[in-house]
Amino acid sequence: DAGVIQSPRHEVTEMGQEVTLRCKPISGHNSLFWYRQTMMRGLELLIYFNNNVPIDDSGMPEDRFSAKMPNASFSTLKIQPSEPRDSAVYFCASSVRQGIETQYFGPGTRLLVL
Amino acid sequence: GEDVEQSLFLSVREGDSSVINCTYTDSSSTYLYWYKQEPGAGLQLLTYIFSNMDMKQDQRLTVLLNKKDKHLSLRIADTQTGDSAIYFCAELNYGQNFVFGPGTRLSVLP
Repeated sequence: DAGVIQSPRHEVTEMGQEVTLRCKPISGHNSLFWYRQTMMRGLELLIYFNNNVPIDDSGMPEDRFSAKMPNASFSTLKIQPSEPRDSAVYFCASSVRQGIETQYFGPGTRLLVL
Repeated sequence: GEDVEQSLFLSVREGDSSVINCTYTDSSSTYLYWYKQEPGAGLQLLTYIFSNMDMKQDQRLTVLLNKKDKHLSLRIADTQTGDSAIYFCAELNYGQNFVFGPGTRLSVLP
């Protein structure tokens, strides 16, 4: 298995632009998680899905952030409009199901908003 | 709310043992985990322990859990330069969600 796939690996954009991050979970995994990692705040859970349904989005910083999972093999995290403080590494992770099952992390998308 | 704390930095000499410590606040935690993050990569699960266990050993890794004090430690025997990374402690909370600590950056000196 290829593991969790994220694209792009790096993204540089200007403030105000729309940014879309993509994730393909491991086949057969039913839970998908989006995390943000910064030096100041560490690793933060933004949102997670069970069976394509968003369960808890309380970690989403504000309305500029949205996430979708149209099917079991694809999810997007969108930031519109982007701001410099959104610069971070965004990780997608998946697990067989929510809970004790190990989460497998993707390589991350390093986002820089100028 | 839940909180997981770790010291941020640890330096050891190659060949020595490393001990990375973690404290957590959620007494209902069922599983506790150690993840490793190498530069430019995602987190990789190293090991985990169920809350009714005191110790778990896996090759060079030893996990100790003191549930009374809510203290978890990861010992790496014969630390190598390839062990240099950030190590995250995480707990599975009552809501079945992972709560991660801030990570401990381990530097292995030759």
